[in-house]
Amino acid sequence: GAVVSQHPSRVICKSGTSVKIECRSLDFQATTMFWYRQFPKKSLMLMATSNEGSKATYEQGVEKDKFLINHASLTLSTLTVTSAHPEDSSFYICSARRGGGNTEAFFGQGTRLTVV
Amino acid sequence: AQTVTQSQPEMSVQEAETVTLSCTYDTSESDYYLFWYKQPPSRQMILVIRQEAYKQQNATENRFSVNFQKAAKSFSLKISDSQLGDAAMYFCACRTSGTYKYIFGTGTRLKVLA
Repeated sequence: GAVVSQHPSRVICKSGTSVKIECRSLDFQATTMFWYRQFPKKSLMLMATSNEGSKATYEQGVEKDKFLINHASLTLSTLTVTSAHPEDSSFYICSARRGGGNTEAFFGQGTRLTVV
Repeated sequence: AQTVTQSQPEMSVQEAETVTLSCTYDTSESDYYLFWYKQPPSRQMILVIRQEAYKQQNATENRFSVNFQKAAKSFSLKISDSQLGDAAMYFCACRTSGTYKYIFGTGTRLKVLA
């Protein structure tokens, strides 16, 4: 199957700083990428959908100024958590799908963010 | 809006035995897809099985099969001949045809006992 890679897998940052998480599709072009947040022992909650070359579409309740998403190329989307606070600590997962057809999205391995 | 409900936070099964994980969903759409994803300790989400709502035949993938009851909006996963490697969180999910927004349930943690 297709490979989606996230980097870093773990990151610790200080409160008030910003942190960037990358999501790459390694062997296919991803026209659409998705960012999820998973709280401990909880389900995945969709944060936003990003299409290459256009602005991301955020789900209700997600602060777009806090969670900046950029999808500048067909193989890379980035999520930047700005002015991070301890409550932003979570597991962030991206997924990506090829354009066209009826193929499912593939998930990255996730990034554990800890804000101290 | 779509909702997915998994009422079993945790299940246990003896190695080589069979276990069924429950899932119910609600959607007003007529064309949708249902999934079971496995999340092992590595946290990588792995697609286990997929069911198209318009197909009456239950999907199967080796030891994994589903019981899809469309009228009841039920979509259970049966794991036969359970193996230690099956231990993981299992998420039921739904997406509407034409979109790729997956709505996930809260998950069921499966423990496999040796």
